Amino acid sequence: SQQGEEDPQALSIQEGENATMNCSYKTSINNLQWYRQNSGRGLVHLILIRSNEREKHSGRLRVTLDTSKKSSSLLITASRAADTASYFCATASGSYQLTFGKGTKLSVIP
Amino acid sequence: EAGVTQFPSHSVIEKGQTVTLRCDPISGHDNLYWYRRVMGKEIKFLLHFVKESKQDESGMPNNRFLAERTGGTYSTLKVQPAELEDSGVYFCASSQVLGENEQFFGPGTRLTVL
Repeated sequence: SQQGEEDPQALSIQEGENATMNCSYKTSINNLQWYRQNSGRGLVHLILIRSNEREKHSGRLRVTLDTSKKSSSLLITASRAADTASYFCATASGSYQLTFGKGTKLSVIP
Repeated sequence: EAGVTQFPSHSVIEKGQTVTLRCDPISGHDNLYWYRRVMGKEIKFLLHFVKESKQDESGMPNNRFLAERTGGTYSTLKVQPAELEDSGVYFCASSQVLGENEQFFGPGTRLTVL
């Protein structure tokens, strides 16, 4: 599997439900970032969590990081149709380059 | 504050032709990165500039790709000659500080090589 691999690959939920996406990685990291990409648009930075942090919140987003399991999760609470997008996790290790996974395609049905 | 901009948004060229992509980072961001996503694959790092200097070009696929950042402002990525496998979306990103700062991405240039 690839560094920064998301799970599931696709997720379809009803508006108002919570959406949880997971990311696993292989090497040690400095931080892990989550990005969103709406169809045909660029990547929008959502949240960054450092390797010494375990949980972080931003609005309806909650990110957890478990460095012992080399995994992270992104929770979107009370989802909206506008949350429909692809979500990517990206890890930053010793260097500055980000390593991305293939992403989770989230569909929120109104 | 203006975000990262890229031009063109789409480019369709024939195999063997040359294409130049442009990226304007956020003003004041010394760090500029190029990434690309080819069909069905992950977004992959290509290279990193600090001001006008190439810090890391380990992700550049081959010598048909040439990136420049004259003057440390905007950057260009030239593909010459383009091959079919170069088709994909090319993203540019910039950041103010190395390390733990987020990278701000542009909308990408979708390149199609026929």
